[in-house]
Parts: sequence; structure tokens; C-alpha cells
Amino acid sequence: DSGVTQTPKHLITATGQRVTLRCSPRSGDLSVYWYQQSLDQGLQFLIQYYNGEERAKGNILERFSAQQFPDLHSELNLSSLELGDSALYFCASSVVPAEGPYNEQFFGPGTRLTVL
Amino acid sequence: AQKITQTQPGMFVQEKEAVTLDCTYDTSDQSYGLFWYKQPSSGEMIFLIYQGSYDEQNATEGRYSLNFQKARKSANLVISASQLGDSAMYFCAMRVSNFNKFYFGSGTKLNVKP
Repeated sequence: DSGVTQTPKHLITATGQRVTLRCSPRSGDLSVYWYQQSLDQGLQFLIQYYNGEERAKGNILERFSAQQFPDLHSELNLSSLELGDSALYFCASSVVPAEGPYNEQFFGPGTRLTVL
Repeated sequence: AQKITQTQPGMFVQEKEAVTLDCTYDTSDQSYGLFWYKQPSSGEMIFLIYQGSYDEQNATEGRYSLNFQKARKSANLVISASQLGDSAMYFCAMRVSNFNKFYFGSGTKLNVKP
């Protein structure tokens, strides 16, 4: 158990709908990262937050948005869902976005989204 | 541009033998970190090992070691004495010091045969 929690574990919805994925980082971790893993593919970095502020943006679609709240939990909002959005969505947390390169990420169990 | 390449989509290894999973990276940064993660069929991502760009010695963690060749920009994972439970996807990742992104390779699926 990494200490990172994600809810829900599974989500099935229809095209055109909107869903919210939730992540709670490990206690003490200020950074939250979101990733998308499509079938049999690697992880695509979506976005990173540090202490409530957006810090880095990757291949995140305009239909997707995220935020980190004062209690440090984060939500990833996916709207106007398409079939191709079906994937495993991971949240990861780390202590701080340290200046040095050592900044291990601890991953949550993921949310499996199926768009029908 | 930052890039991680894993050229082996799938590999087989006999139980109790050693196996090397390849990873090459590309960055112009002098300071970076290299990571390996394991993803079993259950889906979770498990951190295995880390190597810093300034570390002179190869990292080791139990049966895992990282063969770091800086000049060749390679960071291969070596698993000694493979076990059936090692069957999983393995991802190589890189973080550079000036960015807050992690770059992941496409992964290698390892199958350990009894």
C-alpha cells in the first residue's frame, strides 16, 4: 500500500458524459501528478499540482481539467467523454518538487474508466 | 527534448535466471534521475529502484540492480534469480531537475517461465 488513495476504482459511463476522479496523496506529500495509461501503453503525464498550484502540464486535453484543494486532495475532471478516453488513470504523489532530480513518486491504485 | 526508450516490448526468462531489461534515455540536462517501476497485472505501479545522474555506483535494491552507463545514456534493469512473481510490465522513467514531469518509456512485459 503506497498510501495514495484513488476513488472510484472503476467507473463506467457513456460518451458525452462528465466524470470526476479523486485522489488523496500520502500524508505530507504536497505534489500530485495525474497520468493516463491507455490499453497496453505507457503512462502519459497529464498534469502536476504542488500545494494547490498547477506546476507542470503534459498531454492533457482541453476537455480535461484538474485542481488541488487546500487539504491537498486532487480531482481530475473529464468532460465530453469519448470512447478513446477509456483508460487507467493514475494519481501519484511526492514530497516536494525538489530542485534535485530525486523525487520518487508513489502511485495510487488507479481508476479504470470505461466509456461506452 | 526528453525521451525514454524501451525497445523490448516483451521478454521471457526462465525461473531463477537473471534478466536484463533495456532502457535508453535522452536529455540535455546534466542533473536527472532514472527510475524503474513494476506494474503487475493487478495494475498498481510499484517503485523498484532509482539512479541519480551523479551517482558513481550502480544502484542495487535486493534482486534489482541498475546498470547505469552514462556515456551511452542507458539505464538497464537487471533482475537476478527471477521469480514467477516478477512477471509484470516494467517501466523505465526519468525526471530532470528543471522540470516537474516524469517521462516514462513504453514498457517491457516480462514473463517468467517455471
